[in-house]
This record gives sequence, structure tokens and C-alpha cells, in this order.
Amino acid sequence: SQKIEQNSEALNIQEGKTATLTCNYTNYSPAYLQWYRQDPGRGPVFLLLIRENEKEKRKERLKVTFDTTLKQSLFHITASQPADSATYLCALEKGSGNTPLVFGKGTRLSVIA
Amino acid sequence: EAGVTQFPSHSVIEKGQTVTLRCDPISGHDNLYWYRRVMGKEIKFLLHFVKESKQDESGMPNNRFLAERTGGTYSTLKVQPAELEDSGVYFCASSPSGTDYGYTFGSGTRLTVV
Repeated sequence: SQKIEQNSEALNIQEGKTATLTCNYTNYSPAYLQWYRQDPGRGPVFLLLIRENEKEKRKERLKVTFDTTLKQSLFHITASQPADSATYLCALEKGSGNTPLVFGKGTRLSVIA
Repeated sequence: EAGVTQFPSHSVIEKGQTVTLRCDPISGHDNLYWYRRVMGKEIKFLLHFVKESKQDESGMPNNRFLAERTGGTYSTLKVQPAELEDSGVYFCASSPSGTDYGYTFGSGTRLTVV
């Protein structure tokens, strides 16, 4: 069956460092991969989308890579701040655009001042 | 622009009762999705509407769940009769047509069946 694993349930880092979160998937060939941020009591908030033919995408302090050979995506937050503390979710699209998402369980990031 | 609105934010009902959740997507978004997160598990897909039509309902758990989208605008998700295992947070999301768009989620409805 299709499976998405986000390797760490929780990750603690010092303010100013780069946080790296990992998303691995099996039995799946997604056309799109998305990353979301979720705060307690709130819905997921879209951060970045990367296509299967893109290796890397950046947005401000965020960077996402997508390796379809390794079946892995890495999500980086540079110069991390306490305000970046949240749960980060990896999600794959079942098809190509406007199709349901398959989510990982998420990684809870804590940035310590 | 207004985001995706869900209500109620919380609902506590007894087993066997009926509950209706509502979602108002972003105006103009043709795609509307329902997802659910059961405690300790990942968010799971339930249903996808394109305008008023059900595009994919492969995630609906059973026939106690009924979703509708009136005139391609707001959507309702009815659970009748509710069971204990239906407890969780129900999220609605919407997106415009086309690719390269992330989905906008509502804050969710926390449903507790006792």
C-alpha cells in the first residue's frame, strides 16, 4: 500500500540554525509534492509545491527538494526562528493537479531561542 | 479574500445522533475536499467535489456519511447515525482549477462522539 513517512516525529533546533525535515514515500509515483504547516487548533497552511520534474524550489527562507529516484523530499528552513515552531506536513497528490492529497503524520518542529 | 470557513468549530454528540458539518470554500474555487484526522493518525482524504459533482468519494468510510455541495458553493457532510469511531477533526479544503496551486484548508470541526 502507499506509504509516506516523515522520519522524525519531533525535531528540536537552536534559533538561527537550519532545520531539515525528511519525507519518504513508497509504492507511489506522485506528480506533485506539497508541504504544509499546521499550528495547534488550526488547519494546514500551504507552503510550497514541487513537481516531479523539478529538483528544487525556494521561497524566502524555505527550500524543498524532490528526488524521485530516492523517493524522498527534503524541507529546509534556514535561519530558523521561534515563530517557525509548528508541525510540518508532507503531502503527495494522487494524480496531476487538483487531486486528493495523501499526508504524512507530520514532524513537530521546535525552535529554541 | 475570505478563507475557507467551517462550522461548527466543535461538536459533541451522543452515539446514534446525527451531525451536519458545513464548509464554505473560497469563492470561485471549483474544487472542494473533505479530510479527517483521527487522533494519532495522519490526515486522510474523504471526498472531492468539482463544482457540484462528486469527483472522488473513495475515502468515505461507509454509507453513514453523506456529503453534498449545493449549486457548487458550500458543502455539508452529514454523519447519521454517528459512532464512537467517527470522532476526529474534519477539515475542508478548496482549490481553484488548474495546477500548481496548493490547497486552502479551513480550521476544521472537532467532532466528539460519546
